[in-house]
Amino acid sequence: DGGITQSPKYLFRKEGQNVTLSCEQNLNHDAMYWYRQDPGQGLRLIYYSQIVNDFQKGDIAEGYSVSREKKESFPLTVTSAQKNPTAFYLCASSILGQGPRSYGYTFGSGTRLTVV
Amino acid sequence: AQSVTQPDIHITVSEGASLELRCNYSYGATPYLFWYVQSPGQGLQLLLKYFSGDTLVQGIKGFEAEFKRSQSSFNLRKPSVHWSDAAEYFCAVRSNDYKLSFGAGTTVTVRA
Repeated sequence: DGGITQSPKYLFRKEGQNVTLSCEQNLNHDAMYWYRQDPGQGLRLIYYSQIVNDFQKGDIAEGYSVSREKKESFPLTVTSAQKNPTAFYLCASSILGQGPRSYGYTFGSGTRLTVV
Repeated sequence: AQSVTQPDIHITVSEGASLELRCNYSYGATPYLFWYVQSPGQGLQLLLKYFSGDTLVQGIKGFEAEFKRSQSSFNLRKPSVHWSDAAEYFCAVRSNDYKLSFGAGTTVTVRA
């Protein structure tokens, strides 16, 4: 079955260390997205990519970096510059273009990052 | 820029009772609207979506939503809730560049 795989499900890191969250999809979707979720704040967009080797900042990109070297993969690095990195991170993908299939996102199951 | 407001942070409902979750959006053009559900520690699952046509849309798990342009609303309803409906619900609006903006979410608790 096609879907989005995020790994690991739980991640613990010491303060000051960079950490990379993995996101892989086999849906042949064009676009991929990273969201951060904190209690009571909904989902906030960190970065998104609509084509390989190109990506754009979302609303809260500071302290994060991404790459899109393959269509299937969109890893997120949480750098030591991110002041409050402990959160639940969700990856999503979507089709671009017209038609009903392009209108929704498919989400992964998330990675909970805890920085101590 | 588009935005979504979910006025209710938390709703408690008895099993078998009806449920309505409110969503108001702000978007200049014709909105593409979504409702997602999230169980604790999980990703989001699409319940239903509206992009054109009939303003009453049916989704999975017995949910429906009604688009009202005059009120900028897209409220989610279920006639009779089950204990398994306890979760967090998110309303979202999609912009022309395919980005989704989410509301802060409504947590639903179902009591026996």
